[in-house]
Amino acid sequence: QKEVEQDPGPLSVPEGAIVSLNCTYSNSAFQYFMWYRQYSRKGPELLMYTYSSGNKEDGRFTAQVDKSSKYISLFIRDSQPSDSATYLCASYQKVTFGTGTKLQVIP
Amino acid sequence: ETGVTQTPRHLVMGMTNKKSLKCEQHLGHNAMYWYKQSAKKPLELMFVYNFKEQTENNSVPSRFSPECPNSSHLFLHLHTLQPEDSALYLCASSASRGLTMGKLFFGSGTQLSVL
Repeated sequence: QKEVEQDPGPLSVPEGAIVSLNCTYSNSAFQYFMWYRQYSRKGPELLMYTYSSGNKEDGRFTAQVDKSSKYISLFIRDSQPSDSATYLCASYQKVTFGTGTKLQVIP
Repeated sequence: ETGVTQTPRHLVMGMTNKKSLKCEQHLGHNAMYWYKQSAKKPLELMFVYNFKEQTENNSVPSRFSPECPNSSHLFLHLHTLQPEDSALYLCASSASRGLTMGKLFFGSGTQLSVL
């Protein structure tokens, strides 16, 4: 079983929509999680990181962790075409990445 | 120049060639990483260096040989590669392989094609 799993998509939404990106993890020892954003032909860049359960908000982005179900989510409000990228979730301890979900926001 | 710089951006090589990928970071970090990114697969951690010492090798074939002469520079030497080694090779750095190790800063990668 992969340590971090995510639906590869692609996910296509209209501009202004609320986007929900999700990951599951298998290792109960994981406590910190990160979201990276990767534009085409670029390396990933750290978007947000969060610890344990609960929400963390940064502008239009909200990261959520549910430890009981081992579920990680990233919500994007008022999505913009510039949000079109691949989003990768990762565990902090081992820096194990999911496959990434490709998001396209259509104007 | 700031951040993590990788050269070359693109590389095409035959299976008998020898080439090297270069990575340089200007962030004052002490840990450096090589990742392989293939289509529809998760990022695969290949090697980790912490304070110039190799601390992780994730069962990478010997045709990939890393070198870390100092905390700012990282190389990946390639020889007798296979077509399935074609991928985007990403270099990353972090403050150190400790509590903050997860905050990785990536370069733009080298897109490698093996013919």
